[in-house]
Amino acid sequence: EAGVAQSPRYKIIEKRQSVAFWCNPISGHATLYWYQQILGQGPKLLIQFQNNGVVDDSQLPKDRFSAERLKGVDSTLKIQPAKLEDSAVYLCASSLNQISGANVLTFGAGSRLTVL
Amino acid sequence: EDQVTQSPEALRLQEGESSSLNCSYTVSGLRGLFWYRQDPGKGPEFLFTLYSAGEEKEKERLKATLTKKESFLHITAPKPEDSATYLCGGGSNYKLTFGKGTLLTVNP
Repeated sequence: EAGVAQSPRYKIIEKRQSVAFWCNPISGHATLYWYQQILGQGPKLLIQFQNNGVVDDSQLPKDRFSAERLKGVDSTLKIQPAKLEDSAVYLCASSLNQISGANVLTFGAGSRLTVL
Repeated sequence: EDQVTQSPEALRLQEGESSSLNCSYTVSGLRGLFWYRQDPGKGPEFLFTLYSAGEEKEKERLKATLTKKESFLHITAPKPEDSATYLCGGGSNYKLTFGKGTLLTVNP
């Protein structure tokens, strides 16, 4: 079974520039998550989708972050304009079942963003 | 607001020296308490889910236990390949909240 695919693995940008990250979840997984992991901290949920609908985006900084999951499969997370504090690893995860705190998440390797 | 606190932040052991990692949680309507392992440059990898107080699960040298307020990850006779960051997460009705993790280093 193929895992969760993410790209790019690394990105370096100047502050105020824009960046986009792509995620392809495990085939058949209905729920997709984007987490932000700052160095030395645990992952923090940014947004979660059930198929192509947003279930929770309460911690997404909506003035600069946006995400979409068209057709309920792959997803894109965009940051525009980027700030220094956005430097982090952006992790995508998916789970088979509908939204539930009891779901096991399968994570991708992450996209590491450095904002200079 | 759901909170998960892990201790210690970092732990250094000698090979074969058993120890425990702690995870205390305040999660409304806990649906599951999760342990994940994260290696450098990789995403977290699932280890265990515990659903109710008193439950225990084992995998090789790891055993996870759960009470009403905290969970422990016991590591028996660790090996250098057990070195990683161990993340604890509490699942509420619809989302998972992670702690900051414990960085475990096992020296040969």
